Amino acid sequence: GAVVSQHPSRVICKSGTSVKIECRSLDFQATTMFWYRQFPKQSLMLMATSNEGSKATYEQGVEKDKFLINHASLTLSTLTVTSAHPEDSSFYICSATLTSRGGDEQFFGPGTRLTVL
Amino acid sequence: AQSVTQPDIHITVSEGASLELRCNYSYGATPYLFWYVQSPGQGLQLLLKYFSGDTLVQGIKGFEAEFKRSQSSFNLRKPSVHWSDAAEYFCAVGAGFQKLVFGTGTRLLVSP
Repeated sequence: GAVVSQHPSRVICKSGTSVKIECRSLDFQATTMFWYRQFPKQSLMLMATSNEGSKATYEQGVEKDKFLINHASLTLSTLTVTSAHPEDSSFYICSATLTSRGGDEQFFGPGTRLTVL
Repeated sequence: AQSVTQPDIHITVSEGASLELRCNYSYGATPYLFWYVQSPGQGLQLLLKYFSGDTLVQGIKGFEAEFKRSQSSFNLRKPSVHWSDAAEYFCAVGAGFQKLVFGTGTRLLVSP
């Protein structure tokens, strides 16, 4: 099946620094990728839709200047958490859409755990 | 507004016993419904999906789910649970695979 990777899997940073998380579709091209945030014991919350070659579409309540998304190629989307604060600590998950004759399907990365000290 | 409710946070099942995980949804149109499984260190894996047609859907790993419009439910079932099924299970609703709304998940524990 289609594989999506994320790097890094874990990151610890100091408050005020920026952190970049990469999401790659390893064996397929993805025009659309999604970024989710998952709090402990809570569901995945969609943060934004990342479209290759255009600006990301952010969900209501998500600060676009804080969570910068770049989808520069059909296999790579990046999420940069700028000026991170402890409340940004969370589990960030990306997914990539594979379009085939049978329809679209989202494939998920393993997630990145961000801890901001 | 779209929402998904998974009323059980944890469920413990003996190995070999049957399993049912509950999912109720609220959606304004005909729902597209999904069940995903999340194992530690791995991404969410699609178990099965319902778009239309037969309301009993077969998935991978021996799982099935039944769409009941009258009850707004899409419960996941497996007749005989294996220890390797221990994981977190998420129900989701959406318009196709776009903008999925997830439930809070149910953690399945399998006892020997």
